[in-house]
Amino acid sequence: DAGVIQSPRHEVTEMGQEVTLRCKPISGHDYLFWYRQTMMRGLELLIYFNNNVPIDDSGMPEDRFSAKMPNASFSTLKIQPSEPRDSAVYFCASAQGPYGYTFGSGTRLTVV
Amino acid sequence: AQSVTQLGSHVSVSEGALVLLRCNYSSSVPPYLFWYVQYPNQGLQLLLKYTSAATLVKGINGFEAEFKKSETSFHLTKPSAHMSDAAEYFCAVSHGSGNTGKLIFGQGTTLQVKP
Repeated sequence: DAGVIQSPRHEVTEMGQEVTLRCKPISGHDYLFWYRQTMMRGLELLIYFNNNVPIDDSGMPEDRFSAKMPNASFSTLKIQPSEPRDSAVYFCASAQGPYGYTFGSGTRLTVV
Repeated sequence: AQSVTQLGSHVSVSEGALVLLRCNYSSSVPPYLFWYVQYPNQGLQLLLKYTSAATLVKGINGFEAEFKKSETSFHLTKPSAHMSDAAEYFCAVSHGSGNTGKLIFGQGTTLQVKP
């Protein structure tokens, strides 16, 4: 199994630009999670899906952030417009059942 | 609301010494508890999990953790530290029964292993 695949691994963008992060979960997993990791705030759950349906998006910082899961094998997290304070490592994780996540390697986002 | 507190943001041990990383949780329902490890520039990897079966849980790489309800603790231990254990460790909690899938993480503990 290739595990949870995230792309890109690194992204540098200018303030105001749109950023799209991508995630391919493990086949057969019915939960998908997006987390953000920063030194100041640690690991924060942004949103999670069950069977492609968003269950809890209370962690999404503001309207500039949106996430979709059009099918069981793909999810995106979009930031529009991006700001320097969005700089962080964004992790996607998937799970079969609601625990025991498998994390991707993350996308390191830098907004300048 | 559920929460996790990891005592000590940095722990330093000598190679071969006992590793003890502390985690206390708060949960109004029976919790599921987890320990994850993160190596530099990598995602988090599951070390072990407690899901209301045996209170002493064995994980990968020689780690184990004991669930103590009376102390609301789930400390991670390893009898003998190895240089390769140097990493950041995260404790996490989620609901037990009626699990919603939402994992809440502690702030992490960086383990340094000295030769």
